[in-house]
Amino acid sequence: QSALTQPPSASGSPGQSVTISCTGTSRDVGGYNYVSWYQQHPGKAPKLMISEVSKRPSGVPDRFSGSKSGNTASLTVSGLQAEDEADYYCSSYGGSNNLLFGGGTKLTVL
Amino acid sequence: QLQLQESGPGLVKPSETLSLTCTVSGDSISRSNSYWGWIRQPPGKGLEWIGAFDYSGRTYYNPSLKSRLIISVDSSRNQFSLKLSSVTAADTAVYYCARELVPANNFDYWGQGTLVTVSS
Repeated sequence: QSALTQPPSASGSPGQSVTISCTGTSRDVGGYNYVSWYQQHPGKAPKLMISEVSKRPSGVPDRFSGSKSGNTASLTVSGLQAEDEADYYCSSYGGSNNLLFGGGTKLTVL
Repeated sequence: QLQLQESGPGLVKPSETLSLTCTVSGDSISRSNSYWGWIRQPPGKGLEWIGAFDYSGRTYYNPSLKSRLIISVDSSRNQFSLKLSSVTAADTAVYYCARELVPANNFDYWGQGTLVTVSS
């Protein structure tokens, strides 16, 4: 199975909202509510930001939210802050005990 | 506090076997609601799931790596290992070990990662 599709880049000004998409198929994103989002700063390990489409782990600001419609999941960052500038990756269960990642989106805070 | 630490050679020759170990502290790798897995990231590129195992020792592999991959477990040492054979330059990456929560299939704790370069 191919990786999930994300836009390579996204940007927004401080205080604005930005949405990053993650497109798969009915065999992965569309078939299961097991979509996660990770934030990765340069040189650091990824950090879980959203699990099971829309659940925020403890400690993740409520500025981060997730949703899904059909085969596309989305991560929205509201009230953008400078520290939100990072790479963001989606992942989804792909069936048959397989896990897929998206190609990543570089978020720039202007 | 759960911590994971990868260890192993940082340089491997082409056609040889890449071997890494992940040492876990602060949790037991025998927990029934967790998997433990490996993820890699080539320099400047995205994440790729390598594989994982569950509390019973059953393993799950990325189909694209399955023919070259072995993930093994040493519960007595709370460690698990990765062996990837017949490596090429395309296997050069930062390798992470992580805890995977099930059934959500997300990774909530990660090691710091270790860079493995495949080069002669």
